[in-house]
Amino acid sequence: GAGVSQSPSNKVTEKGKDVELRCDPISGHTALYWYRQSLGQGLEFLIYFQGNSAPDKSGLPSDRFSAERTGGSVSTLTIQRTQQEDSAVYLCASSLGLAGAGANVLTFGAGSRLTVL
Amino acid sequence: SQQGEEDPQALSIQEGENATMNCSYKTSINNLQWYRQNSGRGLVHLILIRSNEREKHSGRLRVTLDTSKKSSSLLITASRAADTASYFCATTPRGSSNTGKLIFGQGTTLQVKP
Repeated sequence: GAGVSQSPSNKVTEKGKDVELRCDPISGHTALYWYRQSLGQGLEFLIYFQGNSAPDKSGLPSDRFSAERTGGSVSTLTIQRTQQEDSAVYLCASSLGLAGAGANVLTFGAGSRLTVL
Repeated sequence: SQQGEEDPQALSIQEGENATMNCSYKTSINNLQWYRQNSGRGLVHLILIRSNEREKHSGRLRVTLDTSKKSSSLLITASRAADTASYFCATTPRGSSNTGKLIFGQGTTLQVKP
């Protein structure tokens, strides 16, 4: 597609439920990133995928968070047993290559706003 | 912990004035990037400066990088009301294992009054 697509754009869930957030990156982009942004705050790195390499999961806040990237394209971020502190905007971004290599920059989606009641 | 910190946290200026935002970071980097975020939207890339560059221009934007001080500045000249947004710096720590991790600062919120 022309841009990074995320769904749902808004999700309201009850504490303890599981949620799945989807990201469709730009075709041909080998790197895919997930970030979390709480209200009025900066971006918190969660995880990134690069091609067939093992993902860098170092930013995932707990074992309730997991992410997959199937076929090198679409990615799903899953949050199990949601807590109120998980409420935030979850941003996905993709890039032609890793951000630190050359002049690769990230193209962001519009985000998925998660509200845990 | 966050790699970058922006200063000031908030900035309010009149249209036509220049806006300067600063970013400090902690470790050696491969490159430094600036992004802009309009309220309620995703981020948009503005400019990238490599660790071996000292200054870069793009339209009304001017970015400087001082690796000895581990700091960067973003200057927006002749600001417009449409420049109102949050601005973030982001860095990739140097080191083969960290090449992909792009770490963002807390951002500077800029308000340009018409």
